[in-house]
This record gives sequence, structure tokens and C-alpha cells, in this order.
Amino acid sequence: DAKTTQPNSMESNEEEPVHLPCNHSTISGTDYIHWYRQLPSQGPEYVIHGLTSNVNNRMASLAIAEDRKSSTLILHRATLRDAAVYYCILRDDGVGDSGGSNYKLTFGKGTLLTVNP
Amino acid sequence: DAGITQSPRHKVTETGTPVTLRCHQTENHRYMYWYRQDPGHGLRLIHYSYGVKDTDKGEVSDGYSVSRSKTEDFLLTLESATSSQTSVYFCAIRVYGQGGGVTSRYEQYFGPGTRLTVT
Repeated sequence: DAKTTQPNSMESNEEEPVHLPCNHSTISGTDYIHWYRQLPSQGPEYVIHGLTSNVNNRMASLAIAEDRKSSTLILHRATLRDAAVYYCILRDDGVGDSGGSNYKLTFGKGTLLTVNP
Repeated sequence: DAGITQSPRHKVTETGTPVTLRCHQTENHRYMYWYRQDPGHGLRLIHYSYGVKDTDKGEVSDGYSVSRSKTEDFLLTLESATSSQTSVYFCAIRVYGQGGGVTSRYEQYFGPGTRLTVT
């Protein structure tokens, strides 16, 4: 599985933009880049995903490098509720041993984002 | 809210006892997943299901079995619990999200987790 590299932790101030980097130099042409986040004591939640083009949604923006070997999750105005572990994941749409497509997500350790008031 | 619940939410059990965790969904999604989360490891896939009675192994399946006799329920069983299985267990379902391309639209939504302690 292609792997991602993220900083262990980052800090931001409330209402300032946050840029969370992710390196994925071994990405294949069909790997989608996904971002999930996990708030304290909760399960992960989907943030955004993309393939080649930059993407925007109500939560964040995803900037993907032209060679797709890195990407950046952008929170435009961090709030205290954005404090979480952010995971950059390359989604594997392979086939499992029993023949079923698995749409697996392989989580790394993520980046712990601290937001200061 | 994708209508996913887990039970129990907390459980303490003794080594050697069988334990079954339940994941329940209300929206008839085909794919369901079981993960465990331990400090320093992130989330790791245990088993997943791609339909009723269709299951497959993930990266840490040893010591676990699963069953899916109906669409809405995905059960994770520890036949003989060990202390190394103390963990937080998350169930997830694959739902239809938004995005470009057919397969890119499927995102995973996670349940609230079950904290299992094996003493």
C-alpha cells in the first residue's frame, strides 16, 4: 500500500488559516487522496478527498501538487472545534482475498492539531 | 448522521472469555468494517464485509471472527479474549458521498466506538 507522511503535530491560533501537509511520493495513478479527522473520544470523520484537482467543500480545501506526490489540507479559519488528529490516507480500491472489492482506508498516525484561543 | 451504532459502548472482560461486539446500521449499506485503535498505531482494519455472508480479512484479523447474517448487523467476535485485544473498536460503513468519478464517491462513516478492556 502506498504510504503517507505527516508531521506528528501542529499548532494554530483560532481564526487563522491552517495548512496541514502530507507527502505521498509513492502514490499510484488511481489512488484517491482522502482526509479524515478524529476529534477527542470520537470515531474518525470524513473531511475531503480528491484525485488530481484541488477540491473545496464546506469543511476545508484540498490542494494537490501537480505531480500528486504531496497534498495540503487547508482549514481557512481554525476554530477550537477543529482541534483533532488529521489523517491523510491513500484509498486502496483493491480486491480482497475473497474477491470482494474492499475500498480500504489505511490509517497512519496522523497530525495532532492544537488550536490556541 | 449515517445511522450507525455500536454496542456495548464499554466492556470489561476476563482473559479467555468470548466477547461479541455489535455494529448496527439503519440504511442498508453494503460495506461494513471493523477497526481497532491503539496508542501509537492509529486505526487498523480487522475485518470487513461486502455483503450478507461475504466477509474478508484485514491487516490484524488473527484472534477475531466476524459474521454478517443480515445487512444491518456486523458482529465482531473475540473467541477467547486476550489482554492484547484491549483496545477501542470502531465500526464503519461505506456510504455514498459526493465527488468526481464512480468509486470516489464512497466514504466511510464511523460509529462511536467500543472501549474493550481485557483483564
